[in-house]
Amino acid sequence: GMPVEQNPPALSLYEGADSGLRCNFSTTMKSVQWFQQNHRGRLITLFYLAQGTKENGRLKSTFNSKERYSTLHIKDAQLEDSGTYFCAAANTGNYKYVFGAGTRLKVIA
Amino acid sequence: EAAVTQSPRNKVAVTGGKVTLSCNQTNNHNNMYWYRQDTGHGLRLIHYSYGAGSTEKGDIPDGYKASRPSQENFSLILELATPSQTSVYFCASGDEGYSDYTFGSGTRLLVI
Repeated sequence: GMPVEQNPPALSLYEGADSGLRCNFSTTMKSVQWFQQNHRGRLITLFYLAQGTKENGRLKSTFNSKERYSTLHIKDAQLEDSGTYFCAAANTGNYKYVFGAGTRLKVIA
Repeated sequence: EAAVTQSPRNKVAVTGGKVTLSCNQTNNHNNMYWYRQDTGHGLRLIHYSYGAGSTEKGDIPDGYKASRPSQENFSLILELATPSQTSVYFCASGDEGYSDYTFGSGTRLLVI
């Protein structure tokens, strides 16, 4: 299967709602990144994790290398959170990040 | 402010022609990457580099060459462009080892 699988492929949230996105990995990964691609196509780095959990404002990400997954949690969703979210993970022994297919998020007023 | 700058922003090329996409970074990062983004595929790695003078094949290198003449510059070269290479191309830089990326704004290429 694909080395990086993202779920769900698409998601709609009302403003103020909370939700989570998930990436599953087919093999052990050394690190993971999360990106947001906005409506202009710009890729913005949200998190880089080699292990554990990081928080930044309304966003929180967790990476569990042993269990082969990472999550991105969005709290109190805002309209500007709309976009496509990608996770990318790097395998042992190289520094190449493989991307998932993305989750398209739409926040509704 | 450290940044990754791609040029051109948009390009229309003729089938069989040569196309060069340029990327410049002021992050002083060792690693640079070229990805293409197509609907349904996310981002796929074409070529990457660990430093000046080095280029490595990524996951989809066929039909592409890369050049890293300096720490700051990394080019992607399509010697004989084909319509299947119509895509959005992103350049990124990253520090040595595992690190977070900084992406450029992308180049939209149309091959007719």
